[in-house]
Amino acid sequence: EAGVTQFPSHSVIEKGQTVTLRCDPISGHDNLYWYRRVMGKEIKFLLHFVKESKQDESGMPNNRFLAERTGGTYSTLKVQPAELEDSGVYFCASSQDLYNEQFFGPGTRLTVL
Amino acid sequence: SQQGEEDPQALSIQEGENATMNCSYKTSINNLQWYRQNSGRGLVHLILIRSNEREKHSGRLRVTLDTSKKSSSLLITASRAADTASYFCATDLGFEGQFYFGTGTSLTVIP
Repeated sequence: EAGVTQFPSHSVIEKGQTVTLRCDPISGHDNLYWYRRVMGKEIKFLLHFVKESKQDESGMPNNRFLAERTGGTYSTLKVQPAELEDSGVYFCASSQDLYNEQFFGPGTRLTVL
Repeated sequence: SQQGEEDPQALSIQEGENATMNCSYKTSINNLQWYRQNSGRGLVHLILIRSNEREKHSGRLRVTLDTSKKSSSLLITASRAADTASYFCATDLGFEGQFYFGTGTSLTVIP
């Protein structure tokens, strides 16, 4: 069974540019989560999809971040325009059921210069 | 903030020794889970302990949970160099799907 995959693994962009991160969850997992870890701090929740619907987006830092999950399969997280403080590692996770194990992808390391 | 806090932030031990990491959290939880992250890799699930459990074992891992103190500990016995990684505790509140992660403990096992 393939795990959660994320693309790209690394992205280096300049302030003001746009970046789109992609997450492919484990097939059949309705729940998809985005987290990020900024500058070695704690891993923080961004948002949660159940199928194609946003269940909870309380962790999204501001309106420069836009997440979609069209068709309830893969998800994208767009940052537009990127700021320096957006640098960090963005993790995606998926799960079949709530409150059980979440399977994490390897993360996308975003560097904004 | 409902995040957990791991203690210590960094731990360095010799191979073969035991490693103990602690996690404290602030609110009542449904489950508490421990994850490991090897450098540059994703998070790997280690063990889940439910709020009505006090202790759980998995191989060389032993997790305890004290809900009265809002704390958990992860014990790795007979550590190996391959155990070198960052370890995070994560809690969920039982009414939403997201996890709240601690700041992590960086474990270095010296061969």
